[in-house]
Amino acid sequence: DTTVKQNPRYKLARVGKPVNLICSQTMNHDTMYWYQKKPNQAPKLLLFYYDKILNREADTFEKFQSSRPNNSFCSLYIGSAGLEYSAMYLCASSRGTLSNERLFFGHGTKLSVL
Amino acid sequence: GNSVTQMQGQVTLSEEEFLFINCTYSTTGYPTLFWYVQYPGEGPQLLLKVTTANNKGSSRGFEATYDKGTTSFHLQKASVQESDSAVYYCVLARNNNNAPRFGAGTKLTVKP
Repeated sequence: DTTVKQNPRYKLARVGKPVNLICSQTMNHDTMYWYQKKPNQAPKLLLFYYDKILNREADTFEKFQSSRPNNSFCSLYIGSAGLEYSAMYLCASSRGTLSNERLFFGHGTKLSVL
Repeated sequence: GNSVTQMQGQVTLSEEEFLFINCTYSTTGYPTLFWYVQYPGEGPQLLLKVTTANNKGSSRGFEATYDKGTTSFHLQKASVQESDSAVYYCVLARNNNNAPRFGAGTKLTVKP
């Protein structure tokens, strides 16, 4: 099974409320990533876990949290959603630690903040 | 920093026409370069990958050559089909423990 699963497929949130997105993979991959995709923009890396080590991008450091309680599971947490968080959120995983490994993506979660 | 530029936001072709999607990159050293394809309703998936400068990657009729001199990795296909309609992303990876970086994507529409 080479799938990455993301739940839910669509998420509606209110401004100021928390949001938790979930991703899982059963390929025993070492690294899991979260990207944010807005229309007409490149997928933007938010953070990634190598094993239990979290790496967050400097410009989104305070906006997103994440946890990885086991190898298969990774969540993306927004403490207080704003309109600017409306986007598609893509989770991916890869074998190993080097960035030149192939990425396996989920279908994405489309977040709409109202 | 590391960046990827895809100037074409959209490309529209008829079946059997030649495809050319532009990609240039900026980084130091010798990155690994990828093309990913995203079909409607799905996540991106790997189309092809090239790890060595001046080598060519190919898959399903698509080709891309890693040109270190012009820092380019253009995607080509001799004859497109309607089923090739998708978004194509050029991606750069630095062969270290940093994450891959994406271009903005090029939406290809192939008319029957």
